[in-house]
Amino acid sequence: SAVISQKPSRDICQRGTSLTIQCQVDSQVTMMFWYRQQPGQSLTLIATANQGSEATYESGFVIDKFPISRPNLTFSTLTVSNMSPEDSSIYLCSVLVRGITGELFFGEGSRLTVL
Amino acid sequence: GENVEQHPSTLSVQEGDSAVIKCTYSDSASNYFPWYKQELGKRPQLIIDIRSNVGEKKDQRIAVTLNKTAKHFSLHITETQPEDSAVYFCAAAFSGGTSYGKLTFGQGTILTVHP
Repeated sequence: SAVISQKPSRDICQRGTSLTIQCQVDSQVTMMFWYRQQPGQSLTLIATANQGSEATYESGFVIDKFPISRPNLTFSTLTVSNMSPEDSSIYLCSVLVRGITGELFFGEGSRLTVL
Repeated sequence: GENVEQHPSTLSVQEGDSAVIKCTYSDSASNYFPWYKQELGKRPQLIIDIRSNVGEKKDQRIAVTLNKTAKHFSLHITETQPEDSAVYFCAAAFSGGTSYGKLTFGQGTILTVHP
């Protein structure tokens, strides 16, 4: 497995502001993803964070709203831009560890509340 | 895209009883089916998974069965204990090429085990 650290663990934000969430992994990983879990709901894939290139977004998610960076194999950021109350969710970083095919591990999540 | 339906949404059992959660998927190309357990305020954790070349997999009190023809898979927990109480998510993915980690999740089942 991998140790996945996310910051912040939680935050309360004002409408219209932006917040950047950081994800740090203790080892190099082949693939990193960002998921969203709205209150009481399931998990939805936002995007695949590609190392050294633009992220690949899923249907319903766009780069202007959720810009993602991945400068190396152990770190990624997700920004939630121009937040509204509908963005109140848990945002989860997840990784596939090299050599473990298909098993996805999640970080603890960042719980955002937008007022 | 893939669509995963999960039932029931809530399940209440007495300690020692068995619990069964069922999922169906839509994309016949999916070949990887993990189950995650999420305790309140915690990250989802992989508890068992199955690949399409296997019909059944067991790990102590937990088992998963897969019917590729019918496109459904199930989680079976025997001899349930209060600590099994959590939200359980099934998921499906095509795991191959560059498509690892892009899971589509079911809606979740809240399992409550009464002492």
